[in-house]
Amino acid sequence: GAGVSQSPSNKVTEKGKDVELRCDPISGHTALYWYRQSLGQGLEFLIYFQGNSAPDKSGLPSDRFSAERTGGSVSTLTIQRTQQEDSAVYLCASSRTRAGNTIYFGEGSWLTVV
Amino acid sequence: SQQGEEDPQALSIQEGENATMNCSYKTSINNLQWYRQNSGRGLVHLILIRSNEREKHSGRLRVTLDTSKKSSSLLITASRAADTASYFCATDQDTGRRALTFGSGTRLQVQP
Repeated sequence: GAGVSQSPSNKVTEKGKDVELRCDPISGHTALYWYRQSLGQGLEFLIYFQGNSAPDKSGLPSDRFSAERTGGSVSTLTIQRTQQEDSAVYLCASSRTRAGNTIYFGEGSWLTVV
Repeated sequence: SQQGEEDPQALSIQEGENATMNCSYKTSINNLQWYRQNSGRGLVHLILIRSNEREKHSGRLRVTLDTSKKSSSLLITASRAADTASYFCATDQDTGRRALTFGSGTRLQVQP
């Protein structure tokens, strides 16, 4: 596609429910990133996929968070048993190769846990 | 504290004035990038400066990099109300994490 596409744009969920956030990167981009941004804060790195290499999961805040990337393209970030502190904008980005090049962001998925 | 910390956290200026934002980082880098964010949504890439470069220009933007001080600055000249946004620096670290590390950002308000 023309840009990084994320869905849903907004999600309100009850505490304890599971949520899935989807990211469709720019076609041909081998690197994909997930970041989290709380209101008025900077970006917190979550996970990084590069081609067929093992993902860098070092930023995932707890074992309730997981992500996968199927077929080297679409990625899904899953948050299990959501907590109120999970409320944030989840930003996906992609780049042609590994970081060092420009990365292109989607518009984000705003998650509110009530 | 984070790799890539911007200073100031917030800046308010009048249209036509110049805006300067600073970024400090801790580890050696391959390059440093500046991004802009409107309304808390997606970020847009502005400019990339490599570790062997000292200054770079793009339109009204001027970026400097001092690797000895581990710092960078972003200058926006002749600011416009449309420049109102948050600005983030991001570092491509020489070792360790393979993804960009972002700072906490500077919120710029340009008064018309």
